[in-house]
Amino acid sequence: EIVLTQSPGTLSLSPGERATLSCRASQSVSRNYLAWYQQRPGQAPRLLISGASTRATGIPDRFTGSGSGTDFTLTINRLEPEDFAVYFCQQYGESPFTFGPGTKVDVK
Amino acid sequence: QVQLVQSGAEVKKPGSSVKVSCQASGGPFNRYAISWVRQAPGQGLEWMGGIIPMFGTANYAQKFQGRLTITTDESSRTAYMELSSLTSDDTAVYYCARSSESFGGSGYYDGGYWGQGTLVTVSS
Repeated sequence: EIVLTQSPGTLSLSPGERATLSCRASQSVSRNYLAWYQQRPGQAPRLLISGASTRATGIPDRFTGSGSGTDFTLTINRLEPEDFAVYFCQQYGESPFTFGPGTKVDVK
Repeated sequence: QVQLVQSGAEVKKPGSSVKVSCQASGGPFNRYAISWVRQAPGQGLEWMGGIIPMFGTANYAQKFQGRLTITTDESSRTAYMELSSLTSDDTAVYYCARSSESFGGSGYYDGGYWGQGTLVTVSS
């Protein structure tokens, strides 16, 4: 199965700063079928990015997904207070559709 | 507006089974993948398996092969996840998720829309 590694484990930033989150796959993700999710405490995950770079409906343009093959990045420009959360990547190119362990973005 | 509503919390004994339902409203049902994802307390997300109703055959993570069954009922727009031989390690919140795009689209098996989650507690 494809193993996803996310880094860093925790990212401590201030509102208004830029966050850069990494997701690396143990093998190439078919068709770049890579998604990013945000999860706030006590809530279900929310889809941010699909297909490595397509923003989901209603997602602000400060969220940008990029990358291909084995290396993917989620960039959050100008962090808003509601952006402090845990972010997961998931590959759905090859079953089982595995998740990364997550990156927590917290307030510095 | 797509909405997924899951059944309520369950408390189960070790060795028993649990069946969680997920009813979808809004948008077509049979061309969109339904995945089941669980999250143990304080842990990350784990994809268990999924199904595209129009094909009818579920796809399971090997870890759950033999004790996980995912089905759908198109008439009621409901998906079901049944997990057997429960142990305390199965204590988790179980989510259903529907893809953002239908089969053939680039989001065909992502988690575009999520249910509210169902807490399953396994305890003697």
